[in-house]
Amino acid sequence: ETGVTQSPTHLIKTRGQQVTLRCSSQSGHNTVSWYQQALGQGPQFIFQYYREEENGRGNFPPRFSGLQFPNYSSELNVNALELDDSALYLCASSIKNSGANVLTFGAGSRLTVL
Amino acid sequence: GQQVMQIPQYQHVQEGEDFTTYCNSSTTLSNIQWYKQRPGGHPVFLIQLVKSGEVKKQKRLTFQFGEAKKNSSLHITATQTTDVGTYFCAGPGSNYQLIWGAGTKLIIKP
Repeated sequence: ETGVTQSPTHLIKTRGQQVTLRCSSQSGHNTVSWYQQALGQGPQFIFQYYREEENGRGNFPPRFSGLQFPNYSSELNVNALELDDSALYLCASSIKNSGANVLTFGAGSRLTVL
Repeated sequence: GQQVMQIPQYQHVQEGEDFTTYCNSSTTLSNIQWYKQRPGGHPVFLIQLVKSGEVKKQKRLTFQFGEAKKNSSLHITATQTTDVGTYFCAGPGSNYQLIWGAGTKLIIKP
């Protein structure tokens, strides 16, 4: 059973650029959630994807967007990067309607915006 | 909006001492989850509590869910260096999200 994998692990961008982060969910999981974790803080929910559609969103602007593919993998896209977007971006997979929203996290993608 | 508060932010202990972190929600929770994040790592699921007043143990870790299902605690007995990390509580919010506490960082004094 493979876990959640994310790529890239680290990246550096400049203000105004765009970034795409990728995530492969754990085998058997059908739901992907994305979280942003700033240094020293708890993860903040960005959105969740199920059946290739966004079905829940946190308090993030539209320049944060995503996709889920038929194989349940997912992408997070961030446009017009701002300095405050510097953070660890965590992807978590889970099983919808399993009775427990237990998340399995990937190792994260650490984004630095200069 | 719904909030989950967690205290303390940091706890420094000597190896062998006990550690406790407390979690309080602004709303009643259907369940609460606990995760551990090692330095430089990602959150790893520890346990989920569902019932009012529930107490669960995992070796030296004891988890409690309050009677009103608005608070929870994690107690570690006789801490070891392998316990180092940040412990987060998280409860379900709207839109399928988990609302996370800010975490309590366990630091073992040298």
